[in-house]
Amino acid sequence: QKEVEQDPGPLSVPEGAIVSLNCTYSNSAFQYFMWYRQYSRKGPELLMYTYSSGNKEDGRFTAQVDKSSKYISLFIRDSQPSDSATYLCAFTYGGATNKLIFGTGTLLAVQP
Amino acid sequence: DGGITQSPKYLFRKEGQNVTLSCEQNLNHDAMYWYRQDPGQGLRLIYYSQIVNDFQKGDIAEGYSVSREKKESFPLTVTSAQKNPTAFYLCASRRTPGQNPGNTEAFFGQGTRLTVV
Repeated sequence: QKEVEQDPGPLSVPEGAIVSLNCTYSNSAFQYFMWYRQYSRKGPELLMYTYSSGNKEDGRFTAQVDKSSKYISLFIRDSQPSDSATYLCAFTYGGATNKLIFGTGTLLAVQP
Repeated sequence: DGGITQSPKYLFRKEGQNVTLSCEQNLNHDAMYWYRQDPGQGLRLIYYSQIVNDFQKGDIAEGYSVSREKKESFPLTVTSAQKNPTAFYLCASRRTPGQNPGNTEAFFGQGTRLTVV
């Protein structure tokens, strides 16, 4: 079983749609959960992070974590063409271990 | 400006040659990482370093080597033993969480695209 599984996509949605991006993980030692956004031919940039189960909102973005099910999601409301990018979930451990693991990424295209 | 710099942006290598990709950061971060990105594969961890003179293998370390002689620098050598080196390589750095894990964002360079010719 892979340590991290991410819905592969690609996703194509009309402008204004609600987008749901999802990852599952198998390692119970993961304590920090992140979403990165990567535009074509660029390095990823952190979008959101959280470390507890529940929801965290930031503008049009909501990160959701369910530790009991080992499942994280990113919701994008009122999607815009500028949201078109690859979205990567990422996980890391608590304590002194710095290993940072990424999902395979979901390519999102928002059509105007 | 603080940041992380990868060079070169594009690199061509002949089969059987070793090449070294540069990664420099001036963010005073302890941890540094090398990832490989192939289409549909996401970011796969090659090596990471938590402190100077220390580094750990990631999931796909075979055919690669690294060094961490300075805090600011974490070069990656792609050796001739790497059978399929054509890929997009990303370097990242991150502060050590310490006692306050909080937001320890990983900052990425702009990547090096390596092509074997």
